[in-house]
Amino acid sequence: GAVVSQHPSWVICKSGTSVKIECRSLDFQATTMFWYRQFPKQSLMLMATSNEGSKATYEQGVEKDKFLINHASLTLSTLTVTSAHPEDSSFYICSARYRGQTEAFFGQGTRLTVV
Amino acid sequence: KQEVTQIPAALSVPEGENLVLNCSFTDSAIYNLQWFRQDPGKGLTSLLLIQSSQREQTSGRLNASLDKSSGRSTLYIAASQPGDSATYLCAALSGNTGKLIFGQGTTLQVKP
Repeated sequence: GAVVSQHPSWVICKSGTSVKIECRSLDFQATTMFWYRQFPKQSLMLMATSNEGSKATYEQGVEKDKFLINHASLTLSTLTVTSAHPEDSSFYICSARYRGQTEAFFGQGTRLTVV
Repeated sequence: KQEVTQIPAALSVPEGENLVLNCSFTDSAIYNLQWFRQDPGKGLTSLLLIQSSQREQTSGRLNASLDKSSGRSTLYIAASQPGDSATYLCAALSGNTGKLIFGQGTTLQVKP
């Protein structure tokens, strides 16, 4: 299957700082990327969908000014958590899909801890 | 709005048992249904994907079935092993929104 690489795998940051998470499709062009959030012992909740070259579409209840998503190329999407707070601590996972296909491929996830 | 439910939430079985994990979805307008495995603190490993036109998919000791009309899918694990211990997630790709909606997962423990 196709490979999606997410970086970093874990990050610890101070409250009030911003953190950027990268999601790369290594061997295919990802026309659509998805960002999910997972709290401990809970399932994945879709945060936003991004299509290459256009603005991301956020799910209800997700603050677009806090979770900045950029999908500037067909192989890279970034999620920036701005002014992070302890309640933003979570596991963030991206997935990618290429045009005309319905299967999505997932990154390894990023564990964010805000102290 | 698509909702995906998994039963049971947790399951503990002795090694060697065959077991079935259940997944139900409310909207039958799906492109496909996918089963994933997630180990603690790790990302997702795709196990099986069933297209909406298919009835089942098999990979090794795993068999997944799909009944769109009743909104159900099952994951059958044969001859379970301690290494199968993990959380299993099912996810339905909505034909209306193009979004992949996840169930809450079933945490499986296989005891040696």
